[in-house]
Amino acid sequence: DTAVSQTPKYLVTQMGNDKSIKCEQNLGHDTMYWYKQDSKKFLKIMFSYNNKELIINETVPNRFSPKSPDKAHLNLHINSLELGDSAVYFCASSQGVQPNQPQHFGDGTRLSIL
Amino acid sequence: QKEVEQDPGPLSVPEGAIVSLNCTYSNSAFQYFMWYRQYSRKGPELLMYTYSSGNKEDGRFTAQVDKSSKYISLFIRDSQPSDSATYLCAMNDNSKLTFGKGITLSVRP
Repeated sequence: DTAVSQTPKYLVTQMGNDKSIKCEQNLGHDTMYWYKQDSKKFLKIMFSYNNKELIINETVPNRFSPKSPDKAHLNLHINSLELGDSAVYFCASSQGVQPNQPQHFGDGTRLSIL
Repeated sequence: QKEVEQDPGPLSVPEGAIVSLNCTYSNSAFQYFMWYRQYSRKGPELLMYTYSSGNKEDGRFTAQVDKSSKYISLFIRDSQPSDSATYLCAMNDNSKLTFGKGITLSVRP
């Protein structure tokens, strides 16, 4: 059983398009995250939601808009895609926001902008 | 200076070697220190977690934190080919996780 699942696994699209990535977790966690991992493997947080409320927004361009319809889902919509958006996007979840709570990651969505 | 610096690698060792992976950091507010392992085409998975200074051992893995030097290490004893992966240190200051850049380890049979 996949704990944190993301769709799609791969996304290849043209510059200027709008795309969405979906994430679902079946761990019963109440906190979810989006991370971006660049080509050099540097993993950086973008957003965090706790009980469907946005709690972290790390200087991410307005073109990126997260949405959490319920505690088990966190989606990421990206408008007007740019070349620099090419990366692997990881969703993660944890039980609460306490720093000692481990985060469980999905296997990523590989986004390539042509 | 980045908040978390990690030895860039890559690192290649023979099977059975002892591996030492290191990170330094600048933010004194970091209190929770983690090591994540990431296999190719997979998400990171938590390997070790320590709070404040000290050592923690789990099988072949030992995590060490020295807050006075702002230095953390992960030691892998009797390394195996299955340990080949990217290792990322991560730290939390009560607000968010900050990751190092990761080091790719290859253990040769």
